[in-house]
Amino acid sequence: DTTVKQNPRYKLARVGKPVNLICSQTMNHDTMYWYQKKPNQAPKLLLFYYDKILNREADTFEKFQSSRPNNSFCSLYIGSAGLEYSAMYLCASSRLDWAYAEQFFGPGTRLTVL
Amino acid sequence: GEQVEQLPSSLIVQEGASVLINCSYTDSASVYFPWYKQEPGKRLQFIIDIRSNMERKQNQRLTLLFDKKTKHLSLHITATQPGDSAIYFCSASNNRIFFGDGTQLVVKP
Repeated sequence: DTTVKQNPRYKLARVGKPVNLICSQTMNHDTMYWYQKKPNQAPKLLLFYYDKILNREADTFEKFQSSRPNNSFCSLYIGSAGLEYSAMYLCASSRLDWAYAEQFFGPGTRLTVL
Repeated sequence: GEQVEQLPSSLIVQEGASVLINCSYTDSASVYFPWYKQEPGKRLQFIIDIRSNMERKQNQRLTLLFDKKTKHLSLHITATQPGDSAIYFCSASNNRIFFGDGTQLVVKP
């Protein structure tokens, strides 16, 4: 099974409220990623887990949290959603040698903040 | 940081035509260049990649050319089919991955 799953597929949130997005993979991949994608823009890497080590991008460091309770699952947490967080959130995974490995993407979670 | 630029932003061709998508990057430390496509309503899907120690890679109707000196890549798709209609993303990776904004390809039957 080479599928990456994301839940929920659609999320409506109020400004100032928390949001938690879930991703899972059963390929035993060591690295899992979260991207933010807005229309007509490039996917932007937010953070990634290599095994249990979390790496967050400098410009989004304070905006997003994540956890990886086991190899298969990874969450993306927004403590207080703002209008600018409305976007598609993509999860992906890759095997050990991530710098040279293709990524497998999930279908995305479309977050709308009102 | 790394910047990845793709041109053109959109293409419309007739079935059977060949297309060329260009990609440039800025960081000479980037060493791995995967391409992905996203068909309407579907997830991003890996299609081809190249490493910085290569100049050319072919996968069926896809040919990827890489010029390290000019920091330029080009993806050539031959004999296009309506099923090739998608957004194509170039990316560049060292210890981070950066994507271009995508090229929307429409292949008309």
